[in-house]
Amino acid sequence: GAVVSQHPSRVICKSGTSVKIECRSLDFQATTMFWYRQFPKKSLMLMATSNEGSKATYEQGVEKDKFLINHASLTLSTLTVTSAHPEDSSFYICSAPDSNNEQFFGPGTRLTVL
Amino acid sequence: LAKTTQPISMDSYEGQEVNITCSHNNIATNDYITWYQQFPSQGPRFIIQGYKTKVTNEVASLFIPADRKSSTLSLPRVSLSDTAVYYCLAWMDSSYKLIFGSGTRLLVRP
Repeated sequence: GAVVSQHPSRVICKSGTSVKIECRSLDFQATTMFWYRQFPKKSLMLMATSNEGSKATYEQGVEKDKFLINHASLTLSTLTVTSAHPEDSSFYICSAPDSNNEQFFGPGTRLTVL
Repeated sequence: LAKTTQPISMDSYEGQEVNITCSHNNIATNDYITWYQQFPSQGPRFIIQGYKTKVTNEVASLFIPADRKSSTLSLPRVSLSDTAVYYCLAWMDSSYKLIFGSGTRLLVRP
């Protein structure tokens, strides 16, 4: 099946700094990608829909100025957590649908904010 | 996007068949039913998808009754490595958007 990668796999940062997470579709193009956040022992929560060439669509309650999304190409979307705080510590996962509408998920990025 | 309801957890033993039922009472005509598996600290992995009746692949079967208000994921002869969280989703093909419910935490014991 198709492969979606994320980088980095884990990151530790200081409170107040910004962190960028990359999501790449390795062998297919994706005009749409999705970003999720998952807290320990909880389900995935959809944060936003990343659209290539246009603005991202954010779910209710997700601050767009806090979580900046850029879908720079058909294979890359980035999520930047700005001015990170300890409560932003979470597991961030992206996904992308292939041409058959099957969603493939990245391996996730573990963010720890000190 | 239909809301789905699943048992929070299930226990089983190696070699047994496990059936996880999901209810989606307000499923729309265009919604598909998809199941994902997630191991700790990993992204979800697609297991199976169907629209109606029965679908089978190399890892699981999916049973969907005629009214499509529920579905059952069947895992034959589970092993310890099947311990994971299983998510049932009802989603519309054209929207791509997936909304995850609480999932079922399956524990397979030796």
